Amino acid sequence: KAGVTQTPRYLIKTRGQQVTLSCSPISGHRSVSWYQQTPGQGLQFLFEYFSETQRNKGNFPGRFSGRQFSNSRSEMNVSTLELGDSALYLCASSGDRVETQYFGPGTRLLVL
Amino acid sequence: AQSVTQPDIHITVSEGASLELRCNYSYGATPYLFWYVQSPGQGLQLLLKYFSGDTLVQGIKGFEAEFKRSQSSFNLRKPSVHWSDAAEYFCAVGAGSSNTGKLIFGQGTTLQVKP
Repeated sequence: KAGVTQTPRYLIKTRGQQVTLSCSPISGHRSVSWYQQTPGQGLQFLFEYFSETQRNKGNFPGRFSGRQFSNSRSEMNVSTLELGDSALYLCASSGDRVETQYFGPGTRLLVL
Repeated sequence: AQSVTQPDIHITVSEGASLELRCNYSYGATPYLFWYVQSPGQGLQLLLKYFSGDTLVQGIKGFEAEFKRSQSSFNLRKPSVHWSDAAEYFCAVGAGSSNTGKLIFGQGTTLQVKP
């Protein structure tokens, strides 16, 4: 099976812009979770989607949003970008029983 | 609140030496525990997981971990380290019931391997 894929892999934006990141889960997986990784805060949970519904949400401002499509692909959007949003954004997918999450390679976002 | 602590930020071992990476968790119920490894610029690869049953779990690449409820620990071990094991290692606990996808991660331990 193909693994989790994320596009784009690298992105440079300027403050105030918005960005959309995409994640395609492993075939058959219906749960997609998003994480932000920064040197200062480490790995932090953003949100999880399951069957097009947000099932869990972390402690991030409303500028961070996501959605999931009927084919389980997920997107996350960050509006009004701030310098502190520069990070590696990781997506993970898992099956119906969310026992193990498989991570994609991440999207590296740089905000200038 | 659930939390994971990895007390060692950075560890250096010689190639061929044994390795133990420490992980302590705080969680009210029976935890779902994981170890992931991340090479520079890469995503996270699952090394092993513990849900229930035998407290000593085997993973990929020769790693194993032991769950000790009394110590709230889930330490990762490898008997003989290879240079390719140099990476960052993350311990994580699954927050919530088995059907939620939220993981809480420790801050990570960077492993350096000396030739």
